Amino acid sequence: KQEVTQIPAALSVPEGENLVLNCSFTDSAIYNLQWFRQDPGKGLTSLLLIQSSQREQTSGRLNASLDKSSGRSTLYIAASQPGDSATYLCAVGFLSGSARQLTFGSGTQLTVLP
Amino acid sequence: EPEVTQTPSHQVTQMGQEVILRCVPISNHLYFYWYRQILGQKVEFLVSFYNNEISEKSEIFDDQFSVERPDGSNFTLKIRSTKLEDSAMYFCASRELAGLFEQYFGPGTRLTVT
Repeated sequence: KQEVTQIPAALSVPEGENLVLNCSFTDSAIYNLQWFRQDPGKGLTSLLLIQSSQREQTSGRLNASLDKSSGRSTLYIAASQPGDSATYLCAVGFLSGSARQLTFGSGTQLTVLP
Repeated sequence: EPEVTQTPSHQVTQMGQEVILRCVPISNHLYFYWYRQILGQKVEFLVSFYNNEISEKSEIFDDQFSVERPDGSNFTLKIRSTKLEDSAMYFCASRELAGLFEQYFGPGTRLTVT
């Protein structure tokens, strides 16, 4: 069964720190990977999408990398702010999914302390 | 910016009742999905829909569930004879037929079965 794992499950950092969230997946045959942000009780906000042919994507203070062969992705957040506090979800589109559906990790709950 | 919308935002129903969750995908998108997230658990794929038929479904999507595109804009998820364990957040997503396969998620409907 294809799975997506995220570590750590929770992370607390002081404001201004740079941090890395990790995502691993069991099958390297993917077509893309998306990082989402979820605030408590809310929907999913897409942050970055990396295609399988790409190594990284950047948006503002966020940088996502992809190492398909080792089944890993990281989300780097620079100069963290209290407003970054949320749960960050990694979702992988495996090639075996004919409908390109996403398989989600359980998320990393980030708290940025002022 | 176009977005996926979902109604209602919160639905409370009694066990055994039928509910219909509604979604309006982004207008030029042709592929539609339903996912669910039970409180404290991962987001899980339920079903995908293309060209007026189900393209793929998970083992969760049994005879209790059905999907429909009743007109050119709405996409619905019907849950018959609801059970306590159907309580969850239900997310609709849509994407273009080709390209990046990036999925855009709605804000979700929180279903509470009492």
